[in-house]
Amino acid sequence: KQEVTQIPAALSVPEGENLVLNCSFTDSAIYNLQWFRQDPGKGLTSLLLIQSSQREQTSGRLNASLDKSSGRSTLYIAASQPGDSATYLCAQVMEYGNKLVFGAGTILRVKS
Amino acid sequence: DTAVSQTPKYLVTQMGNDKSIKCEQNLGHDTMYWYKQDSKKFLKIMFSYNNKELIINETVPNRFSPKSPDKAHLNLHINSLELGDSAVYFCASSQLYSLGGSMDTQYFGPGTRLTVL
Repeated sequence: KQEVTQIPAALSVPEGENLVLNCSFTDSAIYNLQWFRQDPGKGLTSLLLIQSSQREQTSGRLNASLDKSSGRSTLYIAASQPGDSATYLCAQVMEYGNKLVFGAGTILRVKS
Repeated sequence: DTAVSQTPKYLVTQMGNDKSIKCEQNLGHDTMYWYKQDSKKFLKIMFSYNNKELIINETVPNRFSPKSPDKAHLNLHINSLELGDSAVYFCASSQLYSLGGSMDTQYFGPGTRLTVL
């Protein structure tokens, strides 16, 4: 059974802190892993996609890593800002059909 | 310009009715998807189409029927709506699928909030 778990479920930090969001998956036949951001009442915005052959991807203040052997991915956000407040979702990308299996998300609040 | 658009944004209807949600993408992508986000905010795939061909059909009741008139559109038709169908429905698209790399990245529409009374 394909399962994706995200920890913590919610996180509140002061502005400027560096933080780490965790994602674990059970299916070792992972193809890609994708991190998204969802703002309240809005759709999903793709942040980073890590191919199974890669170990990390970076975009601005965001860095995502992938460890297939342990079934884990982390999203690192440097120097957090109030505008980073959102729900962060990780999704395991299954090979067949590019199907995304989502975690329940981490609700992040960055306080100014 | 909106990359993936959905209409309507909100849909309130009575149980038993039939309704459709439209999705269009102007990214030139070959693959489109429908996802359902329930009241607990959990997102789950329903269907995917590649070049108008059905690729994925998760265990979705056959009251739900996707229709792809061309590769830029994937509409979702729902018959005999039930209370449990209330959710936010998201459409997404990707350039390709299962070929690896950034071409698999999925881009999501803003969602359609369906409320069944």
